[in-house]
Amino acid sequence: NAGVTQTPKFQVLKTGQSMTLQCAQDMNHNSMYWYRQDPGMGLRLIYYSASEGTTDKGEVPNGYNVSRLNKREFSLRLESAAPSQTSVYFCASSLHRDSSYNSPLHFGNGTRLTVT
Amino acid sequence: AQKVTQAQTEISVVEKEDVTLDCVYETRDTTYYLFWYKQPPSGELVFLIRRNSFDEQNEISGRYSWNFQKSTSSFNFTITASQVVDSAVYFCALIDTGTASKLTFGTGTRLQVTL
Repeated sequence: NAGVTQTPKFQVLKTGQSMTLQCAQDMNHNSMYWYRQDPGMGLRLIYYSASEGTTDKGEVPNGYNVSRLNKREFSLRLESAAPSQTSVYFCASSLHRDSSYNSPLHFGNGTRLTVT
Repeated sequence: AQKVTQAQTEISVVEKEDVTLDCVYETRDTTYYLFWYKQPPSGELVFLIRRNSFDEQNEISGRYSWNFQKSTSSFNFTITASQVVDSAVYFCALIDTGTASKLTFGTGTRLQVTL
């Protein structure tokens, strides 16, 4: 079972470049999430998708866009990367949004992004 | 607004010592869930436990135990007889029914277990 798969694992961008982080889950989960992890700040929610076809902003959405391509895939796009977006990005999924408190989030292994 | 505080930034212990990681939370909801996740040096996030607000029973799983006290809004995590493999960053997290999609994490406690 792959669980939640993120690509790439590492990426270096120059300021102003764009890129898309890919995430796919094979657990038939309905809800998917993107978090960023920064030193001393824990994990902060960027965007989430409660179900296929819907997306909503989280705590720190500025500078990002997302696409829920289908039930399995949820991508995060940086249109014009900035050094402040240097971070580790985690994708996660859960069975249902409304019961996400009732079932734990399953996380991918993360993407380490550096913007110079 | 919900908030999770892990006041201990870093803890160092010698193997076989017991260690407690503190977690204090804030929420206006009466129904909420608390979680602990482990992030080993390899970077992945591993789910450890979930506890709902109506169940104040302490839980033990092997060397791990959790003490949930609503009166002090705390959900502390104790590792008994720590081992080097316990070295990781541990996150406490909260979700309530008011913001069901938004799991709020604490800033994490880095545990270093040495021989």
